[in-house]
Amino acid sequence: DAGITQSPRHKVTETGTPVTLRCHQTENHRYMYWYRQDPGHGLRLIHYSYGVKDTDKGEVSDGYSVSRSKTEDFLLTLESATSSQTSVYFCAISDPRLAQETQYFGPGTRLLVL
Amino acid sequence: SQQGEEDPQALSIQEGENATMNCSYKTSINNLQWYRQNSGRGLVHLILIRSNEREKHSGRLRVTLDTSKKSSSLLITASRAADTASYFCATDAQGAQKLVFGQGTRLTINP
Repeated sequence: DAGITQSPRHKVTETGTPVTLRCHQTENHRYMYWYRQDPGHGLRLIHYSYGVKDTDKGEVSDGYSVSRSKTEDFLLTLESATSSQTSVYFCAISDPRLAQETQYFGPGTRLLVL
Repeated sequence: SQQGEEDPQALSIQEGENATMNCSYKTSINNLQWYRQNSGRGLVHLILIRSNEREKHSGRLRVTLDTSKKSSSLLITASRAADTASYFCATDAQGAQKLVFGQGTRLTINP
């Protein structure tokens, strides 16, 4: 999993509660990404970061915010979780020092919103 | 928007046979990638083909790209049980950092 860890790996929460997922990497990779994976939709990009405090929206960013205050951590926050945000969330990295276009994925976080 | 559409959605073959899966996309790209996902795991990069390439090989994998038809195919030769996984194509049509993935092909190799 390219030295990427995600926490928690599983989470059950209730509608309306805030949730923060963490992606951690130890090799100073520049780009970090958050995706969600749902049946019938493949992976869809939520947000990505191209440096500390530099982020941009992806295809399905509504209802999500991100922060990157240091290189190694990229946080995904659901301010008020909804049942439609039940999904598997994957973090990924890419790095111009490697093959810039290639992304390396973490193990995923399964989130269930009741 | 789903840039990559994959076909078939599911494929079941006998061990030793070849497996072919296809990906179509809608707009111009600089490159197309294929990833594999084993059940319950993250995606793993397999191969990247650039828009000026027509064919690329990596071990038992052969990828073709036809930019005139906006399509790509992934061929796995001499399949093994360990090849059982879902396979996704991804394009950079929205920018190098905004990969757009297809829905995937679920491949099952029967012993």
